[in-house]
Amino acid sequence: AQSVTQLGSHVSVSEGALVLLRCNYSSSVPPYLFWYVQYPNQGLQLLLKYTSAATLVKGINGFEAEFKKSETSFHLTKPSAHMSDAAEYFCAVSDDIYNFNKFYFGSGTKLNVKP
Amino acid sequence: SQTIHQWPATLVQPVGSPLSLECTVEGTSNPNLYWYRQAAGRGLQLLFYSVGIGQISSEVPQNLSASRPQDRQFILSSKKLLLSDSGFYLCAWSVQRELSLYNEQFFGPGTRLTVL
Repeated sequence: AQSVTQLGSHVSVSEGALVLLRCNYSSSVPPYLFWYVQYPNQGLQLLLKYTSAATLVKGINGFEAEFKKSETSFHLTKPSAHMSDAAEYFCAVSDDIYNFNKFYFGSGTKLNVKP
Repeated sequence: SQTIHQWPATLVQPVGSPLSLECTVEGTSNPNLYWYRQAAGRGLQLLFYSVGIGQISSEVPQNLSASRPQDRQFILSSKKLLLSDSGFYLCAWSVQRELSLYNEQFFGPGTRLTVL
């Protein structure tokens, strides 16, 4: 069965500093991985997704993630944090069941950006 | 373009009262539909999913139910709410096609339910 683990429920960085949010997956098949962002009291918005086309995936708002099979990881990074990046971030892995894709979400990481 | 609506945005209900949350999708046909719950400080829990009208699958036993009376309408219901039903309820949709592993899910704005 697929699963994802997000290390660190809270991460705090200074504005302008590197953002690194960790995600490790467990999958019995080649995984399809996703990062979502959630602002307070809003739904989830897709940041980026890995579909095996390239190991380095660029997303919206300057975020990117690198798929490393040897480490079973898909960490999310951004070179320079902005105050508007403060939100909760979720990693997810997809499992295909008869044309229905079930997502397994991590428990989330809340990013705090200090001025 | 596709949009997804949820209402109400917030709801405060007494224990034992009924519940009806509605989700509608515009701009697509025959989507997969999902209901998630997000409890305070916890991740997302998949409650129900649907691959077609009248086709509902439940992920966890509970006092909630779901229905899909129309292609793009998904309803979450309860006959008697419990305190533990409080949370943030999210509806989502995805394209239904073969090899759907890489299909992202698109989320609605959510409904904040407080059961007192």
